Amino acid sequence: NAGVTQTPKFQVLKTGQSMTLQCAQDMNHNSMYWYRQDPGMGLRLIYYSASEGTTDKGEVPNGYNVSRLNKREFSLRLESAAPSQTSVYFCASSEYYGGVGEKLFFGSGTQLSVL
Amino acid sequence: AQTVTQSQPEMSVQEAETVTLSCTYDTSESDYYLFWYKQPPSRQMILVIRQEAYKQQNATENRFSVNFQKAAKSFSLKISDSQLGDAAMYFCAYRSTYQGGKLIFGQGTELSVKP
Repeated sequence: NAGVTQTPKFQVLKTGQSMTLQCAQDMNHNSMYWYRQDPGMGLRLIYYSASEGTTDKGEVPNGYNVSRLNKREFSLRLESAAPSQTSVYFCASSEYYGGVGEKLFFGSGTQLSVL
Repeated sequence: AQTVTQSQPEMSVQEAETVTLSCTYDTSESDYYLFWYKQPPSRQMILVIRQEAYKQQNATENRFSVNFQKAAKSFSLKISDSQLGDAAMYFCAYRSTYQGGKLIFGQGTELSVKP
């Protein structure tokens, strides 16, 4: 049981390049999330998808777009990468958005450097 | 807006001893959830313990327990009988009852365990 799988694990981009971070979960979860983690800070929510077919902005959405491709997959796209987007990106999923017993399962993260 | 503050960037504990990590939060809501997550060097975010604000009883999970003081908006984590495997970054997080997986994280506390 793989849980939440993120690809790639590491990536180096030049300023202005674009790329897509992939995330897939095999737990049949309805909700998926993208967070970023910067040094000295906790994780901050970029975008989330409460259910298949919906996406919403989180705390720091600028410079990103997302696609909920199907129930399993939720991708994060950087259209024109900037050095300020250097960070570790985490994908997470949960069975139901806002449920009383909601528990988030996290992927192992993508280390992204923008030069 | 809700905020979470961890005022201890680093903590150290001797193996087999007890350590307490501090967390305070600010909210105007009465119903919410609080969490402690562990992030070892592997970067995986692991849920350690959760507390529902409507429950007066402090949550416990084996060697991990919390001291939840709702009026003081304080949520500390106590680790008993510390083990080398407990060494990690620990994050306190808040979630509004109706906000799904939109966690608000503190800055983190780096815990080292001395043999």
